[in-house]
Amino acid sequence: AQKVTQAQTEISVVEKEDVTLDCVYETRDTTYYLFWYKQPPSGELVFLIRRNSFDEQNEISGRYSWNFQKSTSSFNFTITASQVVDSAVYFCALSETRIHGSSNTGKLIFGQGTTLQVKP
Amino acid sequence: DSGVTQTPKHLITATGQRVTLRCSPRSGDLSVYWYQQSLDQGLQFLIQYYNGEERAKGNILERFSAQQFPDLHSELNLSSLELGDSALYFCASSASTSLLGSTDTQYFGPGTRLTVL
Repeated sequence: AQKVTQAQTEISVVEKEDVTLDCVYETRDTTYYLFWYKQPPSGELVFLIRRNSFDEQNEISGRYSWNFQKSTSSFNFTITASQVVDSAVYFCALSETRIHGSSNTGKLIFGQGTTLQVKP
Repeated sequence: DSGVTQTPKHLITATGQRVTLRCSPRSGDLSVYWYQQSLDQGLQFLIQYYNGEERAKGNILERFSAQQFPDLHSELNLSSLELGDSALYFCASSASTSLLGSTDTQYFGPGTRLTVL
């Protein structure tokens, strides 16, 4: 069965510190996709990144970076020089992609989330 | 703003009642997904529709049903409501135009917070 584990329930840092959010996944699929979403206090889910299983290159977007390691089934997320606005719940998710007729079905399997609090 | 809209934003009702949650996907997206977020279960997939047809089902209760209309908006119907149905219900949409076997990004709406008293 597919599973996503975010072992860190809550993390608290002081502004400008770097912080890494861990994500470990389990799947028997050879092709899969991994995602990170951010849920700020307002409640919406904001898409951050999508990565497929064949692309192990690390990605950087501003202060955000992602480290995908297939060997350890991990897809960790680092925020550099954290800011108060980064305070949110962050979810890692794995897609279960199946083909149905001529379309894809791709339900997301979410981890339990990591609550990040950045203090000024 | 993801482009996905959900109404209402908040809904307060009583046990035993029935409610309908509405979702409009991003322009051009053919797939709609419904998820439930509760404190004890986390974010759980409920059901997916693609161009009007059901495509995948998760742990959706028999008291819940959904449909996608010709204009691609979707409704999630929850009936015989129980206290445990109180949750944040998200709708997401994706283009579903990628190569078969791929997964498009799902963009989420703001959610409907359901409170059952």
